[in-house]
Amino acid sequence: EAEVAQSPRYKITEKSQAVAFWCDPISGHATLYWYRQILGQGPELLVQFQDESVVDDSQLPKDRFSAERLKGVDSTLKIQPAELGDSAMYLCASSQTAGGTETQYFGPGTRLLVL
Amino acid sequence: QKEVEQNSGPLSVPEGAIASLNCTYSDRGSQSFFWYRQYSGKSPELIMFIYSNGDKEDGRFTAQLNKASQYVSLLIRDSQPSDSATYLCAVNSPSGGGADGLTFGKGTHLIIQP
Repeated sequence: EAEVAQSPRYKITEKSQAVAFWCDPISGHATLYWYRQILGQGPELLVQFQDESVVDDSQLPKDRFSAERLKGVDSTLKIQPAELGDSAMYLCASSQTAGGTETQYFGPGTRLLVL
Repeated sequence: QKEVEQNSGPLSVPEGAIASLNCTYSDRGSQSFFWYRQYSGKSPELIMFIYSNGDKEDGRFTAQLNKASQYVSLLIRDSQPSDSATYLCAVNSPSGGGADGLTFGKGTHLIIQP
């Protein structure tokens, strides 16, 4: 069964350092999402891509976060500089397309700890 | 602002009983509704989705949707210890330009007692 791949699974970094996370969606899925989940909370959307274009980045802290999906397949989320409050699980999800009724499938996530 | 509300629990249910999980949402334009299960330290796993008013059954799980009351529920019959997890309610309220990121509740922590 096809799955969303993410790496690394765990990352420990010091504040002010740069970190990057990678996601490879299910093959053929045009829509890719990055969510952040703080412990005890539900996931919150950071950015949505349709193919290589950003559809929604209204909740992305653009002073320190950036995301790209250059060829419309895999994607990278970067944080520079990392802050203590960025410690969370970063989840990537994909769906065949956008439109409100498509199911989003989640990858295993990257757990980030900022010291 | 779109909001999804769930009772955080914990909800404790005896093994073999019915577990009932509830969720309310604020955006009347919401189109689709999802229940995800999340084990501690793991990512969300899709359990069920529902788009239309009424009930939808899949094995031991039944999702119920009432758009007039802006209410979604998940029933788990014959609860098993392996059902112990956090259950996330998610709502899709598409906005312009194809943006359809999910809005999640904080989740309900379910404990099935053997």
